[in-house]
Amino acid sequence: DTTVKQNPRYKLARVGKPVNLICSQTMNHDTMYWYQKKPNQAPKLLLFYYDKILNREADTFEKFQSSRPNNSFCSLYIGSAGLEYSAMYLCASSRKGGNYAEQFFGPGTRLTVL
Amino acid sequence: GDSVTQMQGQVTLSEDDFLFINCTYSTTWYPTLFWYVQYPGEGPQLLLKVTTANNKGISRGFEATYDKGTTSFHLQKASVQESDSAVYYCVLGDLYNQGKLIFGQGTKLSIKP
Repeated sequence: DTTVKQNPRYKLARVGKPVNLICSQTMNHDTMYWYQKKPNQAPKLLLFYYDKILNREADTFEKFQSSRPNNSFCSLYIGSAGLEYSAMYLCASSRKGGNYAEQFFGPGTRLTVL
Repeated sequence: GDSVTQMQGQVTLSEDDFLFINCTYSTTWYPTLFWYVQYPGEGPQLLLKVTTANNKGISRGFEATYDKGTTSFHLQKASVQESDSAVYYCVLGDLYNQGKLIFGQGTKLSIKP
């Protein structure tokens, strides 16, 4: 099973409220990623976990948090949503070594902040 | 910084037409380049990978090569079908930095039946 699952598929949030998005995979991949995709823009890497080590991109360092309680699950947390967070959030996973760098993506969660 | 640029935001073709999508890249290392494809309602998926300049990546009737001299990378298919309608992303892979991918803006391909 090469499926990456994301929940929920659609999320409506109010400005200033927290948002928590969930991703799971059963491929035993050691790395999980979160991307943000806005219309007419490239998917942008926000952060990734390699095993238990979190790496956040410098320009989004303070805006997003994440946790990975076990190998299969990874969450993306926004403490206080702003209008600029409205976007599609894509989760992906990959395995180092072998056919490395191929990332398997979930279908995405569309977040709308009002 | 490292980047990849796709100038064609949208391409509309008829079935059996020839497809050519180009992108350019800028990097300080020796890249591995990918094309990812995203069908409606799904996440992006790997279409093909090219690890060495002037070598060809081939998958599902698509071909891709890249040219180090012009730092360009293209995707082509001889005869497109309606099922090829999707968004195609040119992607730069940093295999020495824990597999980070840098995406282009994407080219939306629409095929008229």
